[in-house]
Amino acid sequence: SYVLTQSPSVSVAPGQTATITCGGDNIGRKSVHWYQQKPGQAPVLVIYYHSDRPSGIPERFSGSNSANTATLTITRVEAGDEADYYCHVWDTTTDHVVFGGGTKLTVL
Amino acid sequence: QVQLVQSGPEVRKPGASVKISCKASGYSFTSFAMHWVRQAPGQRLEWMGYINAGNGDTKYSQRFQDRVSITRDTSAGTVHMEVSSLRSEDTAIYFCARNNGYYYGAPADYWGQGTLVTVSS
Repeated sequence: SYVLTQSPSVSVAPGQTATITCGGDNIGRKSVHWYQQKPGQAPVLVIYYHSDRPSGIPERFSGSNSANTATLTITRVEAGDEADYYCHVWDTTTDHVVFGGGTKLTVL
Repeated sequence: QVQLVQSGPEVRKPGASVKISCKASGYSFTSFAMHWVRQAPGQRLEWMGYINAGNGDTKYSQRFQDRVSITRDTSAGTVHMEVSSLRSEDTAIYFCARNNGYYYGAPADYWGQGTLVTVSS
């Protein structure tokens, strides 16, 4: 089965840039989506199809996807960005949705 | 605006079944598909299955396909998921999430508030 690998945690100071990665075999050939989940809340879509932002998501959130790594970048990090972030793809081999293990972003 | 409102918390004994619902509003119900995703305490998101609300076609995770059934009621704009043979490891929050269209690779653009299912003897 297809596996997406995320680092368990990332810590950044306010105002700095957070980089969250999602590794998968040839993930660059797949459509990747990213979700933000704060404690006790449902996930929220923040990036879709690698780099598009839904309305209402700040321009500080951006994404890219190439080869074996997809990346979510958050610039000028704020305290309110502290959350778990999950990547998501559809695995065409198994016809399954796959989520990464999640990365906890801590704002120092 | 798009809203997905899920049914309330449930408590079941091991071996029992549970059926939870997700009522959609604010969009054309049959023009989109719906996922069910669960999250055990402190764990990752886990996909369970998907239903095309237009024609009722379903896909299930191999992990759950023997125990899960997803249906839809187009007249009520509601999707249901039934999980049978419950065990303690099924204790989790269950989310419905709208798939943006029918394409399997589309994002889940709106999520329900979640339904806590507790399995305990």
